[in-house]
Parts: sequence; C-alpha cells; structure tokens
Amino acid sequence: NAGVMQNPRHLVRRRGQEARLRCSPMKGHSHVYWYRQLPEEGLKFMVYLQKENIIDESGMPKERFSAEFPKEGPSILRIQQVVRGDSAAYFCASSPSPTGTGNTIYFGEGSWLTVV
Amino acid sequence: AQRVTQPEKLLSVFKGAPVELKCNYSYSGSPELFWYVQYSRQRLQLLLRHISRESIKGFTADLNKGETSFHLKKPFAQEEDSAMYYCALKNTDKLIFGTGTRLQVFP
Repeated sequence: NAGVMQNPRHLVRRRGQEARLRCSPMKGHSHVYWYRQLPEEGLKFMVYLQKENIIDESGMPKERFSAEFPKEGPSILRIQQVVRGDSAAYFCASSPSPTGTGNTIYFGEGSWLTVV
Repeated sequence: AQRVTQPEKLLSVFKGAPVELKCNYSYSGSPELFWYVQYSRQRLQLLLRHISRESIKGFTADLNKGETSFHLKKPFAQEEDSAMYYCALKNTDKLIFGTGTRLQVFP
C-alpha cells in the first residue's frame, strides 16, 4: 500500500495564478481530508470529502478555495488567484471510514505552496 | 467549543532527560485523543491514541478527564525524538489539532 500520495510536493506560483494540489488516498479509503499548515502554526482543518460529496467545508476560506473528490481520480484542492498568504504546506489525509472509534487518519507528505 | 491547547511551542532537553509535552483539551462528550509526530519535512505519523493505551517508541500518554489533559511523556529522551508533536482531538469526522510543540533533544 503506497500510502496517501500528494503531488506536487513543491509548487511555486506567482500572485494571481491558480494552484492545484492533488491527493490520492490510500487504497480502500474513500474519505479525504485537507489540512493547511501555515508557517509557525499548527494544522488547520479545511475540508472533508467523500467520493463526489463535500461533507464538511467549515474550514475552507469563503473565496478562491475549492475542493473536489470525483468518482474517478484524485481529490483536488484548487486555489484561484493565489496571494502571498496562501503560502503554506497543504496536507491531505485519508481514512477508510469516518465513524467509530479507533479509525486512524493517515496523512500524505504534504504539498508546499510558495506564492511569489 | 472544541479546542486543543499545546502551551509550549518549543521544548528543549538533553539526551536522557525526561520529557513531558503538554496537551489540554475542551470537548463536550467523551473525547478521543491522539498524538501525531512530524519529523523534519515528513508526513505526520500517528504516534499513539488514548484508546489503545499503548507505548510507542517509549512514549506514553494518559487521558486525565478531571484535568482535561493528555500529556505525552517519555522517561529518557533520545536525539531521534527531535520532531514536531501534535496533540489532536477527534470531533465527529475530523481531527482538531493543537499548534504543536517542537521537541529538541540535544546530545
């Protein structure tokens, strides 16, 4: 099992461009979470998705950010018109099921976005 | 509101010294708590969770509901323990993380 795969690992964008971050969950996992880690801060929850559904987007900024998890293919976190404050590490995590105690969330290695 | 507090941003100790990384939480209900570790520029890895009552790499953590704490402890720190440590609380279907504590273990 290859684990949660994220790409690109590093992405540089100019202000105003779009950033697309991809996440392939672990095999057999149908639940995906995106977290953002700003410099010197902890991880902040952004969004939780199941296949073709957004379950909880309470942590997503209201503008410019969107996420999807299509029936086929990876989950994508899309940031439009990036600004310097979007520079951060974006971590994806997956789990087989959201319910019940003991379910473990597995993290990818993160995508580092730098906006210049 | 559900919250995880890690009061120390940085904890520095010498090799062989005891370590205690503090974590306090607020949660209405029965909490499910975790410790995650992040080595330099690597993915977060689950270190331990309170329901397992396990010891991983010499680390233990006990849930104290009276003090709403889940401190991470190790009696003798090793240099390879140097990393970021995050306490996390499961809230419905997502994890809420503390701001993390960087542990530096000097030789």
